Amino acid sequence: DAGVTQSPTHLIKTRGQQVTLRCSPKSGHDTVSWYQQALGQGPQFIFQYYEEEERQRGNFPDRFSGHQFPNYSSELNVNALLLGDSALYLCASSLPLAGGRETQYFGPGTRLLVL
Amino acid sequence: AQKITQTQPGMFVQEKEAVTLDCTYDTSDPSYGLFWYKQPSSGEMIFLIYQGSYDQQNATEGRYSLNFQKARKSANLVISASQLGDSAMYFCAMRGMTTGANSKLTFGKGITLSVRP
Repeated sequence: DAGVTQSPTHLIKTRGQQVTLRCSPKSGHDTVSWYQQALGQGPQFIFQYYEEEERQRGNFPDRFSGHQFPNYSSELNVNALLLGDSALYLCASSLPLAGGRETQYFGPGTRLLVL
Repeated sequence: AQKITQTQPGMFVQEKEAVTLDCTYDTSDPSYGLFWYKQPSSGEMIFLIYQGSYDQQNATEGRYSLNFQKARKSANLVISASQLGDSAMYFCAMRGMTTGANSKLTFGKGITLSVRP
């Protein structure tokens, strides 16, 4: 049973560039969430996709956008990169369960460095 | 809104001993879930254990147990028989239920655990 996969594993960009990160959910999961984790901090919620629509969004600017495909995989796009966007980007997938006991399972992350 | 507080400095434990990692939370949701994740240096967040706010018993998963004290708003993780591979960052997280299933997780800042041989 394949877990959550993310690509690429590492990425180096310069300020002002655009980046696309990719995520494939765990088999059978239909919901994908994206988190940003700065060094030494806990993950911060960016947004969540379900049925190809953004269902919930955290406090991130419009430079952060996403997409979910019919096969439930997802992309995170960041435009006009800033130095402060350097972080580990984590993708998590989940599946609704009775009683609200659904658990988010995380991928290995993409480490983005903006120079 | 939810808030998770993890204030312990780096924790050290001797191999084969038990250790408790503290977590307190705050939320206005009457129904919520609490989670613990482990993050090794590789970066992947590994799910360890879940506790629902209306669960009658404290959750256990192998060597992990959750000491849930609802009135005190605490959800401490207990790791028994520590192993060298337990050395990692540990994050407490929560999700409010009233906003619907699969809503976002709110994380604490994490605690570093080092297991000494």
